[in-house]
Amino acid sequence: DTGVSQNPRHKITKRGQNVTFRCDPISEHNRLYWYRQTLGQGPEFLTYFQNEAQLEKSRLLSDRFSAERPKGSFSTLEIQRTEQGDSAMYLCASSVTPTGDLRYFGPGTRLTVL
Amino acid sequence: RKEVEQDPGPFNVPEGATVAFNCTYSNSASQSFFWYRQDCRKEPKLLMSVYSSGNEDGRFTAQLNRASQYISLLIRDSKLSDSATYLCVVNMVGSQGNLIFGKGTKLSVKP
Repeated sequence: DTGVSQNPRHKITKRGQNVTFRCDPISEHNRLYWYRQTLGQGPEFLTYFQNEAQLEKSRLLSDRFSAERPKGSFSTLEIQRTEQGDSAMYLCASSVTPTGDLRYFGPGTRLTVL
Repeated sequence: RKEVEQDPGPFNVPEGATVAFNCTYSNSASQSFFWYRQDCRKEPKLLMSVYSSGNEDGRFTAQLNRASQYISLLIRDSKLSDSATYLCVVNMVGSQGNLIFGKGTKLSVKP
């Protein structure tokens, strides 16, 4: 399977714990995006990387959130001190620049904060 | 005003019906427009891009009216497999390649 992969697929955690998600993009894609989708809403942009550089961050990305793409390949998204409002599907997508659309989303990581 | 607004839905239609989705966007500088489809608890998938001249892909027709900042998607002869949430999407002005998604409109096609 050469698509975008995300791990874990599901994560249940208690409020206040830290969680980390991983995204592996399609190998030749130099752009990687993180989106968040809450119930009944469309996906909302969080941040994106071009290679290892984080080029843009949404104001949704509070200081409890940090994303990295250290070698320009896989990326991690960490949420510290989780809150119940962090419960959502976290989606990763990748693309080859430049492109207007996003064709390659991963299956997402569904986070539930109890 | 929200950046991308869609019909609230849900739409419940019989097989074979024609169904239309409408969407408006707030930023007149937007340049790229798309419709995505999202099945329950799955990732969104690109259905089609939307061009100023209108475009068609089989049973699906998308149209754009820049003056009214309005986008539409028409599905003809709907199938059970068309049941999904349809997301209207525009590019984020001032951002390279990042997208703004509407809330989506849920479609249920019944036998």
